[in-house]
Amino acid sequence: IAGITQAPTSQILAAGRRMTLRCTQDMRHNAMYWYRQDLGLGLRLIHYSNTAGTTGKGEVPDGYSVSRANTDDFPLTLASAVPSQTSVYFCASSEGSGDYNEQFFGPGTRLTVL
Amino acid sequence: GQNIDQPTEMTATEGAIVQINCTYQTSGFNGLFWYQQHAGEAPTFLSYNVLDGLEEKGRFSSFLSRSKGYSYLLLKELQMKDSASYLCAVKDSNYQLIWGAGTKLIIKP
Repeated sequence: IAGITQAPTSQILAAGRRMTLRCTQDMRHNAMYWYRQDLGLGLRLIHYSNTAGTTGKGEVPDGYSVSRANTDDFPLTLASAVPSQTSVYFCASSEGSGDYNEQFFGPGTRLTVL
Repeated sequence: GQNIDQPTEMTATEGAIVQINCTYQTSGFNGLFWYQQHAGEAPTFLSYNVLDGLEEKGRFSSFLSRSKGYSYLLLKELQMKDSASYLCAVKDSNYQLIWGAGTKLIIKP
């Protein structure tokens, strides 16, 4: 199945717990991204990776970490979750990171931190 | 700072035409994207503009004026399935997408 998968679909998490959101794509895209989407706000970039082995910080990176060990996987880790991290998280990928590169999105993970 | 502005919500009638505006102020410009997002789903790509003018794709068209920092998405022959949020995003000088909050479009029969 071509595309991007994310897991879990949804999660309720106690504050202070560690959590990893998984993202896998099978399109052999070089670039991958993690966004969070909150009501009334636009998608905000957390971290990105332009190619396997490299990562960069986006607009709202604090409290999150990522790794890109291979082309297909781009997990997002919350080291110690806080209620303000309650959000819908979208993983996306694109063939490259240049001007025209349409981003394809996964189905999202709905995370609630209590 | 960087800013993308679009109306929060619009209402239109099935079969009609609607124009969704987007204005932007960003550090650099490497293209403007429109995405559609149905409630509870992921955004999906609609259009891309990097040069001034109109790009037409079926019932959807997108216009760009770089000098005015302005774009619009035009939807013709509206159908109930067009009820969704429409997201405007600009690729900045770092080739990162800056997103507007989205315009929720409500279609009435």
